[in-house]
Amino acid sequence: DQQVKQNSPSLSVQEGRISILNCDYTNSMFDYFLWYKKYPAEGPTFLISISSIKDKNEDGRFTVFLNKSAKHLSLHIVPSQPGDSAVYFCAARGKYGGATNKLIFGTGTLLAVQP
Amino acid sequence: SQTIHQWPATLVQPVGSPLSLECTVEGTSNPNLYWYRQAAGRGLQLLFYSVGIGQISSEVPQNLSASRPQDRQFILSSKKLLLSDSGFYLCAWSAISEETQYFGPGTRLLVL
Repeated sequence: DQQVKQNSPSLSVQEGRISILNCDYTNSMFDYFLWYKKYPAEGPTFLISISSIKDKNEDGRFTVFLNKSAKHLSLHIVPSQPGDSAVYFCAARGKYGGATNKLIFGTGTLLAVQP
Repeated sequence: SQTIHQWPATLVQPVGSPLSLECTVEGTSNPNLYWYRQAAGRGLQLLFYSVGIGQISSEVPQNLSASRPQDRQFILSSKKLLLSDSGFYLCAWSAISEETQYFGPGTRLLVL
């Protein structure tokens, strides 16, 4: 059972426009959400996170929105740049995580920013 | 600052051979440590995690094992590799009090 879902395997956006990456989850016990960026043959890099007590967190060009009633979060990148082209993973931590901080990852969305 | 190392970067092994992948973390003490696998076209699957020396929890039944002989060293092993063990293996660490995990560069394993 996939508790964290990224239904769009790929997304193509023009440079300078907004990229919106979506993520849905099923477990209402998740209390923390993270986005990671991954280039081929490299480890994922942490981008931005949000606690379940908030609905928005912003860091430069990156903003994450959380809609708990819909069990949905999204990552907005604006303006998009060619260097943003990568696979983006969303991840969630359950309240059971505690000291282990176990994360459950989605399957990723490949973002291609066209010059 | 903290850094995480993994080696080797790439490994080609025959079916039935043993495996040992190593991960070390610098610049922090008593981290949580994790092994993930990313199969082709799929997300990150948590294989093992450890909250301390000698403490290993397995997330999925499989052909692999993990050990933590030192505080900042995490090893992924197999006695006999299967074709299905091919993939991209990632080690990660987190501080006990923090949610964010930080990943190493990964090891690409190809079993032939």
